[in-house]
Formats: sequence, C-alpha cells, structure tokens
Amino acid sequence: EAQVTQNPRYLITVTGKKLTVTCSQNMNHEYMSWYRQDPGLGLRQIYYSMNVEVTDKGDVPEGYKVSRKEKRNFPLILESPSPNQTSLYFCASSFWSSGKQETQYFGPGTRLLVL
Amino acid sequence: SQQGEEDPQALSIQEGENATMNCSYKTSINNLQWYRQNSGRGLVHLILIRSNEREKHSGRLRVTLDTSKKSSSLLITASRAADTASYFCATGQTGANNLFFGTGTRLTVIP
Repeated sequence: EAQVTQNPRYLITVTGKKLTVTCSQNMNHEYMSWYRQDPGLGLRQIYYSMNVEVTDKGDVPEGYKVSRKEKRNFPLILESPSPNQTSLYFCASSFWSSGKQETQYFGPGTRLLVL
Repeated sequence: SQQGEEDPQALSIQEGENATMNCSYKTSINNLQWYRQNSGRGLVHLILIRSNEREKHSGRLRVTLDTSKKSSSLLITASRAADTASYFCATGQTGANNLFFGTGTRLTVIP
C-alpha cells in the first residue's frame, strides 16, 4: 500500500531534550516536506527536500533540522525543543516534475507537546 | 502572505444540501489543489486543477478556477454527514517549489 508513515504519532517531552520524528514514504517520490499545523494558522512549511541530499528552508525553519540521506526517509530533528514547538506535525511527499508542484501525500501526523 | 485564503472559515449545512467553498490567491499559479482533513488527521488530496483548466469534476465534487480573478471554488453536491471535515486549498505558484496552503474552511454537515 502506498503510504507515508510517521513515528511517533504522539510525543510528550521536556524543553531542551533532543528528539527526532521519522518520516518514510514507499512511493519513490522525489519531493518531501514537513509542515506544522497550529489553530488559526493553517499549514506552515518547515523544510522541504527536492531529492537526496537537497534540502531547503520553508516558512518556519527556526529550531528545526532535517536530512535526506535516502530517498524514502526525511527525518525532522528538534535539537532543543521549546514549548512554542508544541504543534501537530505532518510529513508529505510527492513526485516532482518540471518544477511543478504535484499532488502531495500526507502522513497521519505527529502530535508533539513540549513541557 | 503567499497563502490562499478560504471563504467562509466555517460552514454548517443540512445533509443533502450543496456546500460551496471559495479560495482566493494573489500570485500566478501552475495549479490549484483541494485537500480534505478529518479532525487531527492527515490531509487527503481531493482534486487538482491546472492553470489552463476552468472546471473539473470528481464524483460529487466540482472545482472551478478563474485565473483572471485569482479564485477557485469547491462545490460538494448532495452533502453527507461523512463530508464533515476541514477543506484546504493549496496553490502551486509559478516559480516556487512548494504548495502554499490556506487556513481552511470547516464544513459541518448536520444529519
């Protein structure tokens, strides 16, 4: 089954404790992206990647890191989480064709609470 | 902001009625997409309309695009309680690598 998986689905942590949220897709997509969703603000892009070893900042990259060592995986790293990073996080992937944005497939979300 | 803006923010209708949601945007686009999100879950793609298309259908969904007015509408006909969700438009803007999502319309269909 074609899908995007994220782990963990729920996470409670404390300020400053490094964490990683994993994202994996099995559709051989070039493009992968991380979003956060907060009430009243819609989806805001954190980082994206257009292929292996190619990553770039989205709208709200501060406090986050990503890597793209393999095509299927795109982990999101919070080196020193703070309470303002409490949010619902989504990973998404899509094909990338001729610079045009195609249909994105979303993971189920990771709900993060930073105390 | 590069985001699209949906209108209305919230919509409540009776089952069987039609629901119309609108999306406005500010820049030139390659395509415009509509997504659905059930509460707290991942977004699911509904339909993509390209900049050279004016109307597209998928089952009970009808999407229109007016690039001169920089707007799109999503019509759900004969709504069902199961259509209750948030609906987002996302624009694939010319020269940009990403989709830009609006803040969504919350649709409630009352049985």
